[in-house]
Amino acid sequence: KAGVTQTPRYLIKTRGQQVTLSCSPISGHRSVSWYQQTPGQGLQFLFEYFSETQRNKGNFPGRFSGRQFSNSRSEMNVSTLELGDSALYLCASSLDGTTTRGFQYFGAGTRLSVL
Amino acid sequence: AQTVTQSQPEMSVQEAETVTLSCTYDTSESDYYLFWYKQPPSRQMILVIRQEAYKQQNATENRFSVNFQKAAKSFSLKISDSQLGDAAMYFCAYEGNNNNDMRFGAGTRLTVKP
Repeated sequence: KAGVTQTPRYLIKTRGQQVTLSCSPISGHRSVSWYQQTPGQGLQFLFEYFSETQRNKGNFPGRFSGRQFSNSRSEMNVSTLELGDSALYLCASSLDGTTTRGFQYFGAGTRLSVL
Repeated sequence: AQTVTQSQPEMSVQEAETVTLSCTYDTSESDYYLFWYKQPPSRQMILVIRQEAYKQQNATENRFSVNFQKAAKSFSLKISDSQLGDAAMYFCAYEGNNNNDMRFGAGTRLTVKP
C-alpha cells in the first residue's frame, strides 16, 4: 500500500506570492491533517479535513487555507507569503474518527522557502 | 490548552547503551493519548510508541518503553541497546480523546555514538 505522498518536495517562492501544496493520503484514509514545522515554533497543527469538510483548525491566520477532494486528496494554500512562512509542511492521514490514537501516517513533507 | 514540554534539546548515547528522553505535559482532560514520534533526516515522522492514558501499564515496543506517570503528567521514553539507526529527532506528542489536534513538544535530537 502506498504511503502518504506530498508534492512538491521542495518549493521556493518570493514574498507576496501564493502557493499550493498537495497531499495524497493512504488509500482508504479519509482524514488528512496538515502541520507546519519550523525551528522556532516546532510542529504546529494547521487544520484537518474529513469527508471534504474542515473539522479542526489550529491557530493560523486566514492566509492559510485548505480543501479536500472527494478522493480524499487534500491541498493547502498559503496566500500573500511572508518570510515567516518558510517551513516544512507535513501532511498526515488516518482512517477516520475524531481521534487518531496515533494511527496517523505522515508524508515526507514539502520544504517551502520564502525569499 | 494542552502543552507538551521536552526539556532536553539534545541527548547523546553510546551504541548499545540505554538512554531516557523526558517529556511532561499539561492537560485538564482525563482521557487522552501520548506518543513518541521519531523524525530521521528523511523528515518522515514515524510513530515509535503510544500510550493510552486510561491504561496504567507502561507501553513497550521491542527496545522502546515508556515510563508513564499520569499524576505527575510525565511520559519519558527509554531506548535500550541503542543502535546507530536510532539517531533522529524525537518528539513527544499529546492527543485528546475528542479531537485529533495533536500537540507536539519541541523535540530532542538524539545522537548515537559508535
